Amino acid sequence: RKEVEQDPGPFNVPEGATVAFNCTYSNSASQSFFWYRQDCRKEPKLLMSVYSSGNEDGRFTAQLNRASQYISLLIRDSKLSDSATYLCVVNKAAGNKLTFGGGTRVLVKP
Amino acid sequence: DGGITQSPKYLFRKEGQNVTLSCEQNLNHDAMYWYRQDPGQGLRLIYYSQIVNDFQKGDIAEGYSVSREKKESFPLTVTSAQKNPTAFYLCASSTLGQSNQPQHFGDGTRLSIL
Repeated sequence: RKEVEQDPGPFNVPEGATVAFNCTYSNSASQSFFWYRQDCRKEPKLLMSVYSSGNEDGRFTAQLNRASQYISLLIRDSKLSDSATYLCVVNKAAGNKLTFGGGTRVLVKP
Repeated sequence: DGGITQSPKYLFRKEGQNVTLSCEQNLNHDAMYWYRQDPGQGLRLIYYSQIVNDFQKGDIAEGYSVSREKKESFPLTVTSAQKNPTAFYLCASSTLGQSNQPQHFGDGTRLSIL
């Protein structure tokens, strides 16, 4: 089983719609979780950290489910500019190292 | 502006040649990292460093070498022993804390074989 798994997509989303996708992780001791956004042929950029109680940043909501070992990202009122690959990131058991999922591709269409 | 600068943006390597990718940060971050990304795949950790003059192997260190002589700089050398070097190379940095801190990335170097 991979340390961090994501559905590669693509998720084709009509503009203005809501899209949500999950990421599962294998290490039950993981403590730090992040969502990054990566545009085509660009570097990943931090979208948001994921906190135990869940958190929201504008149209983006992240949730953590420790019992089932997954995190989720929900995007409301999708914009064309939300088209990107979203990377799920989880810390490794030891050291200040992170494990990146393969990414979920989202395509928002008019 | 504070940030991470990688150079060059594009690099071509001849067979048997070593090439060095530059990474400089002015964020005063203690930790620096090198990742490799292949098309359609996630990032894989090559090397990382949490303090000057010290670094550790990541998951795919074979065929690569690094140095950390200054806090601001963490160059990566792709040696001739790396038989499949074509990839997108990303450098990142972060602060160190009790919990993992998010990493911030440079804009990457694309390496290809001639």
